[in-house]
Amino acid sequence: SQKIEQNSEALNIQEGKTATLTCNYTNYSPAYLQWYRQDPGRGPVFLLLIRENEKEKRKERLKVTFDTTLKQSLFHITASQPADSATYLCAPNTGFQKLVFGTGTRLLVSP
Amino acid sequence: DSGVTQTPKHLITATGQRVTLRCSPRSGDLSVYWYQQSLDQGLQFLIQYYNGEERAKGNILERFSAQQFPDLHSELNLSSLELGDSALYFCASSPGVGTEAFFGQGTRLTVV
Repeated sequence: SQKIEQNSEALNIQEGKTATLTCNYTNYSPAYLQWYRQDPGRGPVFLLLIRENEKEKRKERLKVTFDTTLKQSLFHITASQPADSATYLCAPNTGFQKLVFGTGTRLLVSP
Repeated sequence: DSGVTQTPKHLITATGQRVTLRCSPRSGDLSVYWYQQSLDQGLQFLIQYYNGEERAKGNILERFSAQQFPDLHSELNLSSLELGDSALYFCASSPGVGTEAFFGQGTRLTVV
């Protein structure tokens, strides 16, 4: 069955460092992959979408890579700030199908 | 503000009861998604509608049902409620396929 894996352990980093989060998927070939941010008790907020023919995408301090061979996406936040502390969710998607999310990785950025 | 409106924001009800959660998508969005998120758990996909038709189904219980109306708003009906149904229920909308989804603020359901 299709599976999306994100590190369930929280990632703790210091302010100013680069945070790298991983999303692995198995048993399907997504045409695109999305990353969202979720704060406690709030709905997820869209951050970036990368398509299968794109290797990398950037938006301000955010960078996403998409390796269809490894079946993996990496999400980077450079020059991290305490305000970046949140849970980050990935959602690989094959197209006109259900939008399913990984369980998310909690990021904690310390001052 | 995502443009997706969910009502009510909070709902407290007793076991065995039935409730209806409402979602108004962003103007022009044809797809609506429903999710359940229990305390400290991930987002569980329930069901997706596109322009009034059911398009995808997740692990939605038989006690739960949903529909999308001609004006594109959607309702999620939860019946024979159990304590374990207590959760945040999110609705999201998107213009179509391969685009980002916009989430509402959620409805917090407490079953007592």
